[in-house]
Amino acid sequence: SQQGEEDPQALSIQEGENATMNCSYKTSINNLQWYRQNSGRGLVHLILIRSNEREKHSGRLRVTLDTSKKSSSLLITASRAADTASYFCALSGNTPLVFGKGTRLSVIA
Amino acid sequence: DAGVTQSPTHLIKTRGQHVTLRCSPISGHKSVSWYQQVLGQGPQFIFQYYEKEERGRGNFPDRFSARQFPNYSSELNVNALLLGDSALYLCASSLLWGPEETQYFGPGTRLLVL
Repeated sequence: SQQGEEDPQALSIQEGENATMNCSYKTSINNLQWYRQNSGRGLVHLILIRSNEREKHSGRLRVTLDTSKKSSSLLITASRAADTASYFCALSGNTPLVFGKGTRLSVIA
Repeated sequence: DAGVTQSPTHLIKTRGQHVTLRCSPISGHKSVSWYQQVLGQGPQFIFQYYEKEERGRGNFPDRFSARQFPNYSSELNVNALLLGDSALYLCASSLLWGPEETQYFGPGTRLLVL
């Protein structure tokens, strides 16, 4: 299936620690996007990384993409309680976005 | 600037009824997509419209239909509701159509079917 799979399903860390989430997929992609969702509300776009890029930064976010391993990781540095949310990777190819099941991140103050 | 808006925010229906969900995209955006998100799962693609034409359809039954109006707003219709249709329905808009386009999501409509 084209769906990405996030790992872990849930992650709990202390405020100030780094959080790393991974996404694996099976098909070829044009790009991979990461989204955040707070408490079952709308999704917020975080970052897009193209298939010819290996790493991208945005503020406290760092995304890597390894197309040979068909995997991506999202690193949130110096986490805050406000980072508590579900994080989804979404694959973009010849079809509209395909989302995984997400990683639920809890940041404890 | 207003983001993507959806109405209603919450809705309760009974099995067999029909429902219409509405979405207004960000001003200037010409593409609208609809997603269904069941509790504990990621969003699942239902439809995408660009310039009032259907550009993609996900694996959903014919009970689901949608359209896009000249002002680029959109409606999602679901007929003969089933209990399994209970979900958060998300609308997203993008400036254009294509895999490079960032999609901006609305807050969703939470539908409960009893």
